[in-house]
Amino acid sequence: DAGVIQSPRHEVTEMGQEVTLRCKPISGHNSLFWYRQTMMRGLELLIYFNNNVPIDDSGMPEDRFSAKMPNASFSTLKIQPSEPRDSAVYFCASRSTSGGAYEQYFGPGTRLTVT
Amino acid sequence: AQKVTQAQTEISVVEKEDVTLDCVYETRDTTYYLFWYKQPPSGELVFLIRRNSFDEQNEISGRYSWNFQKSTSSFNFTITASQVVDSAVYFCALSLYNQGGKLIFGQGTELSVKP
Repeated sequence: DAGVIQSPRHEVTEMGQEVTLRCKPISGHNSLFWYRQTMMRGLELLIYFNNNVPIDDSGMPEDRFSAKMPNASFSTLKIQPSEPRDSAVYFCASRSTSGGAYEQYFGPGTRLTVT
Repeated sequence: AQKVTQAQTEISVVEKEDVTLDCVYETRDTTYYLFWYKQPPSGELVFLIRRNSFDEQNEISGRYSWNFQKSTSSFNFTITASQVVDSAVYFCALSLYNQGGKLIFGQGTELSVKP
């Protein structure tokens, strides 16, 4: 079975540009999470969705960040305009809440560099 | 507030040594889940184990074992007879039942196993 798929794997962009990160969760999973990993702050949750509905976006740094989940198999995280401090690895994770399983499975991450 | 502390930032051992990674968590909730994830040099996050707050049974999986003690709020991870392939950053994480599954990560312990 395919795991969580993220694209692109690497993104280099200039400050002020719009960046869109994409995620395809594991088929059948009904929860999707976006995390960011930096040296300074470690791994932190940005936003998560249950059944395509955003539940908690308190971790989104500011209005420059937005996330959507138009259907059960696709989500995007957009940064507009991007800034150098947004440079990080962005992970998408998914899980199924059926059957009592609560572990999240992570995608390979997108390494974002903003110059 | 919820918090996960991994006091060991870096550990270095020689192959075949046993090593224990410490994890201490804080929460006032009675229903929660604890996890360990492995992040090898390639960067992906790999799920290792989940434990719920009602199950204090220790678990062994091959060379890996986990010791969960609610009395000390600890969920320690031991690798027996370590191998070079165990070199990675290991993260302990906490998830509260009433918070939809969001993971609160510790800062991670970087394990280096030398031949």
